[in-house]
Amino acid sequence: DTEVTQTPKHLVMGMTNKKSLKCEQHMGHRAMYWYKQKAKKPPELMFVYSYEKLSINESVPSRFSPECPNSSLLNLHLHALQPEDSALYLCASSQAGVQPQHFGDGTRLSIL
Amino acid sequence: AQSVTQPDIHITVSEGASLELRCNYSYGATPYLFWYVQSPGQGLQLLLKYFSGDTLVQGIKGFEAEFKRSQSSFNLRKPSVHWSDAAEYFCAANNAGKSTFGDGTTLTVKP
Repeated sequence: DTEVTQTPKHLVMGMTNKKSLKCEQHMGHRAMYWYKQKAKKPPELMFVYSYEKLSINESVPSRFSPECPNSSLLNLHLHALQPEDSALYLCASSQAGVQPQHFGDGTRLSIL
Repeated sequence: AQSVTQPDIHITVSEGASLELRCNYSYGATPYLFWYVQSPGQGLQLLLKYFSGDTLVQGIKGFEAEFKRSQSSFNLRKPSVHWSDAAEYFCAANNAGKSTFGDGTTLTVKP
């Protein structure tokens, strides 16, 4: 069973749409991560939240906007995405903000 | 520059055979080291991690890894591979909170 839950599993959106990806964990972890993964590539870190505060932003374009409403939830707001943003978006969590321990199964995002 | 190298892009082994996946790191100091597995359509699963101490680390699903400082390596091993082990394997290193993944090794298991 996946202890990090991501919704939706699949998302197709146009370049002018606004959508959000959601991630939830109930393990009491205080660090949460967003990764982007292209096919046949390793995951690329986008953002890290530690104790509900943004601690790392890997120079991600502003069309991606993270939000951490509480210690269990992590959102990624999407707006005006480009076709090259099509990828698998993975959420992860860990007890401390060192290295992700648990990953969700991801949201597969397609930009038309 | 800090880097993690997985020299083998693709490995094929027969079911029941032993497995070794290679991982080399290039860091000034010994980083924390990790192995993950990713099955198709799923997220990554942490197999094992090395922080310090005993250089032979036991993980889940029957995997183990050995840290060798002299070779800057952290190779993953399994004595007998099962068909369900077919997946993508990623080695990762973390130094001062900065994490780097290798490019991955695809494991195919022949019946």
